[in-house]
Amino acid sequence: QKEVEQNSGPLSVPEGAIASLNCTYSDRGSQSFFWYRQYSGKSPELIMSIYSNGDKEDGRFTAQLNKASQYVSLLIRDSQPSDSATYLCAVNRGSNYQLIWGAGTKLIIKP
Amino acid sequence: DGGITQSPKYLFRKEGQNVTLSCEQNLNHDAMYWYRQDPGQGLRLIYYSQIVNDFQKGDIAEGYSVSREKKESFPLTVTSAQKNPTAFYLCASSTLTVSYEQYFGPGTRLTVT
Repeated sequence: QKEVEQNSGPLSVPEGAIASLNCTYSDRGSQSFFWYRQYSGKSPELIMSIYSNGDKEDGRFTAQLNKASQYVSLLIRDSQPSDSATYLCAVNRGSNYQLIWGAGTKLIIKP
Repeated sequence: DGGITQSPKYLFRKEGQNVTLSCEQNLNHDAMYWYRQDPGQGLRLIYYSQIVNDFQKGDIAEGYSVSREKKESFPLTVTSAQKNPTAFYLCASSTLTVSYEQYFGPGTRLTVT
């Protein structure tokens, strides 16, 4: 079992719809959870961080965390073509500051 | 502007040559990291450092070396012992608070032929 798992996609979503990206992790001691966006050929960019159970909203983005189910998700409302990218989920390793990375989900927003 | 710089953006080397990738940050972050990314894959940790003159191996340290002589700088050397060095190399930094948010430089794309 991988430490952080994501569906590789591609996930195709019509423009204006909600895109839902999912991530599961194996380390129950993890405390910090992140979503990064990576455009092709570019470096990852932090878009959301979440540390406690529940929802955290920032503009069109909502991160959801469920520690009991070891599950973190990212919702993108009113999806735009500029949201087309690979989304990486990262989780800290136990109480350590190292991050463990999923392989990413490729998201395609169709105009 | 605060940020992380990496140079060069593209690097071409012949097999058997060592090459050093530069990473500098002015965010006053204590921790710095080097990752490798291969096509269609996630990030794999090569080395990390949380303090000057100290660093630890990550998951794929073989064939790589680093130094941390200044807080702002964390250069990575890809040695001839690295079997498949062609990859996208990413440098990141973070504070050591509970947030652990990492911020990335633009990356160096290394091609070895």
